Amino acid sequence: DTEVTQTPKHLVMGMTNKKSLKCEQHMGHRAMYWYKQKAKKPPELMFVYSYEKLSINESVPSRFSPECPNSSLLNLHLHALQPEDSALYLCASSQDSLSVATYEQYFGPGTRLTVT
Amino acid sequence: AQKITQTQPGMFVQEKEAVTLDCTYDTSDQSYGLFWYKQPSSGEMIFLIYQGSYDEQNATEGRYSLNFQKARKSANLVISASQLGDSAMYFCAMREGTTSGTYKYIFGTGTRLKVLA
Repeated sequence: DTEVTQTPKHLVMGMTNKKSLKCEQHMGHRAMYWYKQKAKKPPELMFVYSYEKLSINESVPSRFSPECPNSSLLNLHLHALQPEDSALYLCASSQDSLSVATYEQYFGPGTRLTVT
Repeated sequence: AQKITQTQPGMFVQEKEAVTLDCTYDTSDQSYGLFWYKQPSSGEMIFLIYQGSYDEQNATEGRYSLNFQKARKSANLVISASQLGDSAMYFCAMREGTTSGTYKYIFGTGTRLKVLA
């Protein structure tokens, strides 16, 4: 099973709202990723968790707050977002992010976020 | 500096024909991995094929093959016998190390492929 699930599929929120995106995998992967993707652009890395610890933060504004409650779950908490934050948010996982051995990433279907 | 370069913003191919999508990369690492992903309009990124830098042979997965030319730093994707369902955006990606010791994946700008009936 190479499935990564994400909820919700679509989310519309106002600039004063607080919401969360959820991601789950049951492949035993120890690395999980959040990406932001604008239309017709490649995914942009936001955060990497390795063994449940935040290991990369690509200078993401603090209105995005990641959380990894356990090795299968990854959340992205959203607060006071701006309209320019509207995008497709993709979660991914891979077996490892610390080993020199290379592993492919598996992506979830994404959450299409609209900030009004 | 751009590390993954895809020079074809859009490509057309006739159904049942083969098509090659170009990807060049830049790295100073000796050990690295190259990937191709397909992204249909639905948004999900689908892993297609992987090539390791030390792999002797070009990777193949069904109708997908990777034309890996290490000296030229190119990793082109070849899709044989194109199908209408192959119409999508295709991204080339590379796994690279960071100063923190964590590896991350970087993506090219993508090529939009349209298969014509």
